[in-house]
Amino acid sequence: KAGVTQTPRYLIKTRGQQVTLSCSPISGHRSVSWYQQTPGQGLQFLFEYFSETQRNKGNFPGRFSGRQFSNSRSEMNVSTLELGDSAFYLCASSFFGGGVEETQYFGPGTRLLVL
Amino acid sequence: AQSVTQLGSHVSVSEGALVLLRCNYSSSVPPYLFWYVQYPNQGLQLLLKYTTGATLVKGINGFEAEFKKSETSFHLTKPSAHMSDAAEYFCAVRGNTGGFKTIFGAGTRLFVKA
Repeated sequence: KAGVTQTPRYLIKTRGQQVTLSCSPISGHRSVSWYQQTPGQGLQFLFEYFSETQRNKGNFPGRFSGRQFSNSRSEMNVSTLELGDSAFYLCASSFFGGGVEETQYFGPGTRLLVL
Repeated sequence: AQSVTQLGSHVSVSEGALVLLRCNYSSSVPPYLFWYVQYPNQGLQLLLKYTTGATLVKGINGFEAEFKKSETSFHLTKPSAHMSDAAEYFCAVRGNTGGFKTIFGAGTRLFVKA
């Protein structure tokens, strides 16, 4: 069974641009979560989607948005990029996401550099 | 609100020595606790998790952790370090609120000396 995939793996953008990152969960998984990882702030929860609906949201500005498609693939969009958005973005999937005992499987991440 | 504190941003041990990575949590609801490992430029891999039941949890690669409610701790240990254990380790907590709003600690980078 293939793992969680994220595309692209590396990305360079300039301030003011927007970016879209993609996450394909493990087949059969319906919950997808996104995290931002930076040296200063560590791992921070962005949002979680389940069955095309955002179920949980972290404390990020509205420039960060996401969506989930009917095949459970998810995209994360950041508009009007700022230098501080440079980070490692991770997504994770799980089958249902309704039980805390479930295991989340993480993708390899996307490294975004904003110049 | 839930939070996780990992004591020591860097820990260095000799190969074959005991590994001890410390984690304390704060949670107003029964916590579900996790340890993840991250190798450079890779995603996170679950080492072990505590949900309910036995407080001593065994994970992959010889790691284990003990949930101590009285101390609000969930320290990660391994009896004998291997060079391949060098990585960053994250303790995380997730409350029983549904969904996956996992709160991570700041991480501890483990160095293993030959």
